[in-house]
Amino acid sequence: AQKITQTQPGMFVQEKEAVTLDCTYDTSDPSYGLFWYKQPSSGEMIFLIYQGSYDQQNATEGRYSLNFQKARKSANLVISASQLGDSAMYFCAMSYEPGGSNYKLTFGKGTLLTVNP
Amino acid sequence: DTGVSQNPRHKITKRGQNVTFRCDPISEHNRLYWYRQTLGQGPEFLTYFQNEAQLEKSRLLSDRFSAERPKGSFSTLEIQRTEQGDSAMYLCASSLGIMNTEAFFGQGTRLTVV
Repeated sequence: AQKITQTQPGMFVQEKEAVTLDCTYDTSDPSYGLFWYKQPSSGEMIFLIYQGSYDQQNATEGRYSLNFQKARKSANLVISASQLGDSAMYFCAMSYEPGGSNYKLTFGKGTLLTVNP
Repeated sequence: DTGVSQNPRHKITKRGQNVTFRCDPISEHNRLYWYRQTLGQGPEFLTYFQNEAQLEKSRLLSDRFSAERPKGSFSTLEIQRTEQGDSAMYLCASSLGIMNTEAFFGQGTRLTVV
Protein backbone atom coordinates (compact mmCIF):
# COMPACT_ATOMS: atom_id res chain seq x y z
CA ALA A 1 0.00 0.00 0.00
CA GLN A 2 1.08 3.54 -0.66
CA LYS A 3 1.11 6.24 1.99
CA ILE A 4 1.76 9.98 1.86
CA THR A 5 2.60 11.99 4.98
CA GLN A 6 2.44 15.77 5.18
CA THR A 7 3.45 16.82 8.67
CA GLN A 8 2.77 20.55 8.38
CA PRO A 9 -0.94 21.33 8.82
CA GLY A 10 -0.24 25.01 8.21
CA MET A 11 2.60 27.20 7.02
CA PHE A 12 3.09 30.95 6.88
CA VAL A 13 5.42 32.82 4.54
CA GLN A 14 6.07 36.43 3.73
CA GLU A 15 5.36 37.61 0.22
CA LYS A 16 8.39 37.27 -2.09
CA GLU A 17 10.11 34.74 0.18
CA ALA A 18 10.64 31.06 -0.56
CA VAL A 19 8.83 28.28 1.30
CA THR A 20 9.27 24.51 1.49
CA LEU A 21 6.32 22.18 2.01
CA ASP A 22 7.28 18.74 3.29
CA CYS A 23 6.13 15.41 1.92
CA THR A 24 7.32 11.91 2.74
CA TYR A 25 6.02 8.77 1.14
CA ASP A 26 6.04 5.05 1.65
CA THR A 27 5.65 2.39 -1.02
CA SER A 28 7.01 -0.99 -1.91
CA ASP A 29 6.50 -0.37 -5.63
CA PRO A 30 9.73 0.13 -7.57
CA SER A 31 8.05 2.53 -9.98
CA TYR A 32 5.82 5.39 -8.98
CA GLY A 33 5.01 9.01 -9.67
CA LEU A 34 4.88 11.92 -7.26
CA PHE A 35 2.64 14.95 -7.68
CA TRP A 36 1.86 18.24 -6.04
CA TYR A 37 -1.56 19.85 -6.36
CA LYS A 38 -2.88 23.20 -5.20
CA GLN A 39 -6.47 23.51 -3.99
CA PRO A 40 -7.77 27.06 -3.60
CA SER A 41 -10.94 27.76 -1.66
CA SER A 42 -12.96 27.31 -4.87
CA GLY A 43 -12.27 23.57 -4.67
CA GLU A 44 -10.61 22.47 -7.88
CA MET A 45 -7.31 20.63 -7.74
CA ILE A 46 -4.67 22.40 -9.80
CA PHE A 47 -1.68 20.38 -11.00
CA LEU A 48 1.65 21.99 -10.10
CA ILE A 49 4.51 19.57 -10.68
CA TYR A 50 5.35 15.92 -11.29
CA GLN A 51 8.37 13.69 -10.52
CA GLY A 52 8.82 10.14 -11.76
CA SER A 53 10.64 7.68 -9.53
CA TYR A 54 13.27 7.05 -12.20
CA ASP A 55 13.84 10.69 -13.07
CA GLN A 56 17.43 11.64 -12.34
CA GLN A 57 16.87 15.35 -12.04
CA ASN A 58 14.53 17.24 -9.75
CA ALA A 59 11.46 18.58 -11.53
CA THR A 60 10.96 22.31 -11.95
CA GLU A 61 7.96 24.26 -13.25
CA GLY A 62 8.36 28.01 -13.09
CA ARG A 63 8.42 29.03 -9.42
CA TYR A 64 7.83 25.44 -8.30
CA SER A 65 10.54 22.86 -7.80
CA LEU A 66 10.37 19.41 -6.31
CA ASN A 67 13.22 18.36 -4.05
CA PHE A 68 13.22 14.60 -4.63
CA GLN A 69 15.36 12.51 -2.26
CA LYS A 70 14.61 8.92 -3.13
CA ALA A 71 16.68 7.32 -0.38
CA ARG A 72 14.88 9.39 2.23
CA LYS A 73 11.52 8.90 0.47
CA SER A 74 10.84 12.60 0.47
CA ALA A 75 9.39 14.87 -2.22
CA ASN A 76 9.29 18.39 -0.84
CA LEU A 77 7.77 21.25 -2.80
CA VAL A 78 9.71 24.51 -2.93
CA ILE A 79 7.86 27.66 -3.95
CA SER A 80 10.15 30.56 -4.72
CA ALA A 81 9.14 34.22 -4.55
CA SER A 82 5.77 33.57 -2.89
CA GLN A 83 2.78 35.56 -4.09
CA LEU A 84 -0.47 36.36 -2.31
CA GLY A 85 -2.27 34.13 -4.81
CA ASP A 86 -0.26 31.15 -3.59
CA SER A 87 -2.37 31.03 -0.43
CA ALA A 88 -4.20 27.68 -0.67
CA MET A 89 -4.13 24.05 0.43
CA TYR A 90 -1.29 22.03 -1.08
CA PHE A 91 -1.47 18.28 -1.50
CA CYS A 92 1.28 15.79 -2.18
CA ALA A 93 0.16 12.64 -4.00
CA MET A 94 1.57 9.51 -5.54
CA SER A 95 0.54 7.09 -8.24
CA TYR A 96 1.34 3.46 -8.90
CA GLU A 97 2.72 4.20 -12.32
CA PRO A 98 5.44 6.60 -13.31
CA GLY A 99 4.88 8.92 -16.22
CA GLY A 100 1.52 10.14 -15.05
CA SER A 101 -0.52 7.77 -17.18
CA ASN A 102 -2.65 6.50 -14.29
CA TYR A 103 -4.25 9.02 -12.00
CA LYS A 104 -5.36 6.63 -9.32
CA LEU A 105 -3.64 8.76 -6.71
CA THR A 106 -2.98 8.48 -2.99
CA PHE A 107 -3.07 11.93 -1.38
CA GLY A 108 -1.67 13.30 1.85
CA LYS A 109 -3.75 15.39 4.26
CA GLY A 110 -2.45 18.64 2.88
CA THR A 111 -0.72 21.80 4.10
CA LEU A 112 -2.53 25.12 4.29
CA LEU A 113 -0.17 27.82 3.05
CA THR A 114 -0.83 31.44 3.96
CA VAL A 115 1.19 34.15 2.24
CA ASN A 116 1.36 37.37 4.24
CA PRO A 117 1.81 40.77 2.56
CA ASP B 1 -13.30 23.20 -24.14
CA THR B 2 -13.53 24.77 -20.71
CA GLY B 3 -12.27 21.84 -18.69
CA VAL B 4 -13.92 19.25 -16.48
CA SER B 5 -17.44 20.25 -15.50
CA GLN B 6 -19.32 18.91 -12.49
CA ASN B 7 -22.97 19.42 -11.65
CA PRO B 8 -24.44 20.35 -9.34
CA ARG B 9 -21.83 22.32 -7.43
CA HIS B 10 -23.73 21.96 -4.18
CA LYS B 11 -26.36 19.47 -3.06
CA ILE B 12 -28.21 19.33 0.24
CA THR B 13 -30.30 16.24 0.79
CA LYS B 14 -32.13 14.51 3.58
CA ARG B 15 -30.79 11.28 4.98
CA GLY B 16 -32.20 8.33 3.12
CA GLN B 17 -32.68 10.13 -0.19
CA ASN B 18 -30.88 9.21 -3.42
CA VAL B 19 -28.60 11.69 -5.16
CA THR B 20 -26.87 11.71 -8.54
CA PHE B 21 -23.90 13.77 -9.62
CA ARG B 22 -22.69 14.36 -13.15
CA CYS B 23 -19.19 14.84 -14.51
CA ASP B 24 -18.41 16.00 -18.05
CA PRO B 25 -14.73 15.35 -18.78
CA ILE B 26 -12.54 17.07 -21.32
CA SER B 27 -13.82 15.70 -24.61
CA GLU B 28 -10.79 13.78 -25.86
CA HIS B 29 -9.95 12.28 -22.45
CA ASN B 30 -10.62 8.56 -22.25
CA ARG B 31 -9.92 8.12 -18.53
CA LEU B 32 -12.25 9.46 -15.86
CA TYR B 33 -11.74 9.28 -12.09
CA TRP B 34 -13.95 9.90 -9.08
CA TYR B 35 -12.58 10.96 -5.70
CA ARG B 36 -14.17 11.82 -2.37
CA GLN B 37 -12.75 14.48 -0.07
CA THR B 38 -13.95 14.92 3.49
CA LEU B 39 -13.20 17.98 5.59
CA GLY B 40 -9.55 18.29 6.54
CA GLN B 41 -8.46 15.35 4.39
CA GLY B 42 -6.96 14.81 1.00
CA PRO B 43 -9.05 13.28 -1.78
CA GLU B 44 -9.56 9.51 -1.68
CA PHE B 45 -9.85 7.45 -4.83
CA LEU B 46 -13.27 5.91 -5.48
CA THR B 47 -13.28 4.52 -9.02
CA TYR B 48 -12.07 5.06 -12.57
CA PHE B 49 -13.15 4.41 -16.13
CA GLN B 50 -11.28 3.75 -19.32
CA ASN B 51 -13.80 4.85 -21.92
CA GLU B 52 -17.05 3.18 -20.80
CA ALA B 53 -15.38 0.37 -18.84
CA GLN B 54 -15.17 0.72 -15.06
CA LEU B 55 -11.71 -0.70 -14.41
CA GLU B 56 -11.33 -0.34 -10.67
CA LYS B 57 -13.44 0.38 -7.61
CA SER B 58 -12.17 1.26 -4.15
CA ARG B 59 -13.45 -0.54 -1.10
CA LEU B 60 -14.75 2.89 -0.07
CA LEU B 61 -17.39 2.46 -2.76
CA SER B 62 -20.08 0.62 -0.83
CA ASP B 63 -23.08 -1.09 -2.42
CA ARG B 64 -25.00 2.17 -2.09
CA PHE B 65 -22.67 3.84 -4.58
CA SER B 66 -22.77 3.25 -8.31
CA ALA B 67 -20.94 4.97 -11.12
CA GLU B 68 -21.53 4.80 -14.84
CA ARG B 69 -19.99 6.23 -17.94
CA PRO B 70 -22.27 5.40 -20.83
CA LYS B 71 -20.66 5.67 -24.26
CA GLY B 72 -17.42 6.76 -22.66
CA SER B 73 -18.48 10.39 -22.39
CA PHE B 74 -19.99 11.92 -19.24
CA SER B 75 -20.15 9.99 -16.00
CA THR B 76 -22.66 9.83 -13.18
CA LEU B 77 -22.14 8.91 -9.56
CA GLU B 78 -25.25 7.86 -7.68
CA ILE B 79 -25.56 7.43 -3.94
CA GLN B 80 -28.60 5.57 -2.71
CA ARG B 81 -30.08 5.92 0.78
CA THR B 82 -27.67 8.68 1.72
CA GLU B 83 -26.16 8.75 5.21
CA GLN B 84 -24.63 11.65 7.10
CA GLY B 85 -21.21 10.09 6.60
CA ASP B 86 -21.60 10.59 2.86
CA SER B 87 -21.27 14.36 3.35
CA ALA B 88 -18.13 15.29 1.41
CA MET B 89 -16.80 16.93 -1.73
CA TYR B 90 -16.97 14.58 -4.72
CA LEU B 91 -14.28 15.35 -7.28
CA CYS B 92 -14.05 14.17 -10.85
CA ALA B 93 -10.89 14.16 -12.95
CA SER B 94 -10.09 13.18 -16.51
CA SER B 95 -6.93 12.41 -18.41
CA LEU B 96 -5.66 11.10 -21.72
CA GLY B 97 -4.24 8.03 -19.98
CA ILE B 98 -0.88 8.26 -21.67
CA MET B 99 2.54 8.99 -20.35
CA ASN B 100 3.56 12.48 -19.34
CA THR B 101 0.12 14.03 -19.51
CA GLU B 102 -1.71 15.48 -16.58
CA ALA B 103 -5.15 14.90 -15.18
CA PHE B 104 -7.54 17.80 -14.87
CA PHE B 105 -9.96 18.05 -11.97
CA GLY B 106 -13.39 19.59 -11.86
CA GLN B 107 -14.49 21.96 -9.13
CA GLY B 108 -16.34 19.21 -7.33
CA THR B 109 -19.83 18.64 -5.98
CA ARG B 110 -20.24 19.37 -2.30
CA LEU B 111 -22.81 17.05 -0.74
CA THR B 112 -24.40 17.79 2.62
CA VAL B 113 -26.66 15.13 4.11
CA VAL B 114 -28.94 16.47 6.85
